[in-house]
Amino acid sequence: AQSVAQPEDQVNVAEGNPLTVKCTYSVSGNPYLFWYVQYPNRGLQFLLKYITGDNLVKGSYGFEAEFNKSQTSFHLKKPSALVSDSALYFCAVRGPINAGNNRKLIWGLGTSLAVNP
Amino acid sequence: GAGVSQSPSNKVTEKGKDVELRCDPISGHTALYWYRQRLGQGLEFLIYFQGNSAPDKSGLPSDRFSAERTGESVSTLTIQRTQQEDSAVYLCASSFYNGLQETQYFGPGTRLLVL
Repeated sequence: AQSVAQPEDQVNVAEGNPLTVKCTYSVSGNPYLFWYVQYPNRGLQFLLKYITGDNLVKGSYGFEAEFNKSQTSFHLKKPSALVSDSALYFCAVRGPINAGNNRKLIWGLGTSLAVNP
Repeated sequence: GAGVSQSPSNKVTEKGKDVELRCDPISGHTALYWYRQRLGQGLEFLIYFQGNSAPDKSGLPSDRFSAERTGESVSTLTIQRTQQEDSAVYLCASSFYNGLQETQYFGPGTRLLVL
């Protein structure tokens, strides 16, 4: 069965420090992995995705994520956090259709990131 | 270009009333998804449409919930005889599915409060 886990409900980091928001997954076949951000009272905004190719994916607002197949992880990172990065972050995954998966994304429960000035 | 739009942005209704939520997808997007997000929770899949194919309704929580989409245009999500537990943000997303992969782009949501 497909699943995704965001093991931390909340991450706190000081402005200027590097941040990591963790995501691990389980799918049949090679995964399609996504990160979205939700600012207060807003919809979800797409940050980045991994489909194939380089394990390090760069996305919007200086974020990047590293696909690690052996650890089945797709952690979101940023070298230097900003107060404006404070938001709710969601990881999502699905497997390829030809491996028996369907189109629906499986979503994590979200991680609240607080960047302190 | 224009993103996904949803209306109304906020809706307050009384228990037992019907509500209709609207989603305008990005032009050219063949797929449209509806999700529910309760306060402080993650996304709960409700239904998706792909072109003129039969929709995947597997996430609809009860027969009070229904959705329609004509072709690749506007979609409406209808909740009949609303209950207080229906209070949530209803999010719509659209995507272009190329047969292999897609990226969902979300609207701002409709915040529904059932009194």
